Amino acid sequence: GQNIDQPTEMTATEGAIVQINCTYQTSGFNGLFWYQQHAGEAPTFLSYNVLDGLEEKGRFSSFLSRSKGYSYLLLKELQMKDSASYLCAVRDGNYQLIWGAGTKLIIKP
Amino acid sequence: ETGVTQTPRHLVMGMTNKKSLKCEQHLGHNAMYWYKQSAKKPLELMFVYSLEERVENNSVPSRFSPECPNSSHLFLHLHTLQPEDSALYLCASSQDQGLSGETEAFFGQGTRLTVV
Repeated sequence: GQNIDQPTEMTATEGAIVQINCTYQTSGFNGLFWYQQHAGEAPTFLSYNVLDGLEEKGRFSSFLSRSKGYSYLLLKELQMKDSASYLCAVRDGNYQLIWGAGTKLIIKP
Repeated sequence: ETGVTQTPRHLVMGMTNKKSLKCEQHLGHNAMYWYKQSAKKPLELMFVYSLEERVENNSVPSRFSPECPNSSHLFLHLHTLQPEDSALYLCASSQDQGLSGETEAFFGQGTRLTVV
């Protein structure tokens, strides 16, 4: 079966750095997405990786290793507004999006 | 404002009621989706419409009935639901079905459904 694993919850301190990991086992691979979802709001697109390596967008970076079936989202200079759930999703060989259950990130002052 | 609007935001219904969820997208996309989001579970894809035709139905019970009258509107008709159907129902749209490149989905804020 197809599976996406990510930690259920993480806690970090304002101003610090946090890394949220995502591992996947899918039938084929056509890209990996990270979304942010604040409580009671719509998920919003953060990043897309299809080739190995690091993609940087301001305070957020996303890394992909296709051979390891592994990605991480790196958040720097954490702010209180970064408290949210972070969803990892993989587009499989049939171009279907397979979703993880999300990681709830709690930021403490 | 994400360009995808869902109504209502909250809905409480009895098991014998009939109600409909509405989704409207203003992005010119040609694919629309219904997802179910339950606490601590992955998003579950329910239905996919591409160019107003249903292209996927992931074994969803018949008590959920989708309708896509045009490329900008999507409905989910509900009848005789069960308490376990209580969840956040999210609508999304994308430029296509994600057959190429960085085609991300844009989500609405969802309808929080409670079945009593």
